[in-house]
Amino acid sequence: QQQVKQSPQSLIVQKGGISIINCAYENTAFDYFPWYQQFPGKGPALLIAIRPDVSEKKEGRFTISFNKSAKQFSLHIMDSQPGDSATYFCAAKTRGSNYKLTFGKGTLLTVNP
Amino acid sequence: DTAVSQTPKYLVTQMGNDKSIKCEQNLGHDTMYWYKQDSKKFLKIMFSYNNKELIINETVPNRFSPKSPDKAHLNLHINSLELGDSAVYFCASSQDLGDEKLFFGSGTQLSVL
Repeated sequence: QQQVKQSPQSLIVQKGGISIINCAYENTAFDYFPWYQQFPGKGPALLIAIRPDVSEKKEGRFTISFNKSAKQFSLHIMDSQPGDSATYFCAAKTRGSNYKLTFGKGTLLTVNP
Repeated sequence: DTAVSQTPKYLVTQMGNDKSIKCEQNLGHDTMYWYKQDSKKFLKIMFSYNNKELIINETVPNRFSPKSPDKAHLNLHINSLELGDSAVYFCASSQDLGDEKLFFGSGTQLSVL
């Protein structure tokens, strides 16, 4: 059972465009929603994260939008650059004794020059 | 200095063999993890250790045995390797069980022939 559903599976954007990746979750106990960025041959690295008490968080060109009632959150990359080409993973985590991070299936983003 | 380092980076072996992957973190973190990334890039937690104590074991076959000699090291030993074990294995660490930011190593690509 996939607890965090991510779409699209792949995305091609022109340089300067906006990249949008969406995630939906089912477990209302999730209380932390990070996005990880993974370049080929490297491990994932934390990009940006949000908690359900805010609807938006922005760090530079990267913004998370969070809709608690719809149980959805998305990553927006403004002014996308070729260097942003990577696989992006959304994830979710519950507070409690089992501190397990559940990942979405990933989105391969390609930004064309 | 690499924060989370894994060895080896590549591991090619025959079915039935036993192999080990080593992981070390120099961040002073208390919690370490093993994640498996399959050919479709899906990331799934296998184990987590906190101060050398096993916290999460995600229904991983008994052929996989993690060992944490101290809180800076978490090794993964795999017995009787099977074709389905082929994947990229990532070690990760976090400050403690409650810290949500994970630092990943660069991964070990295991190919079982």
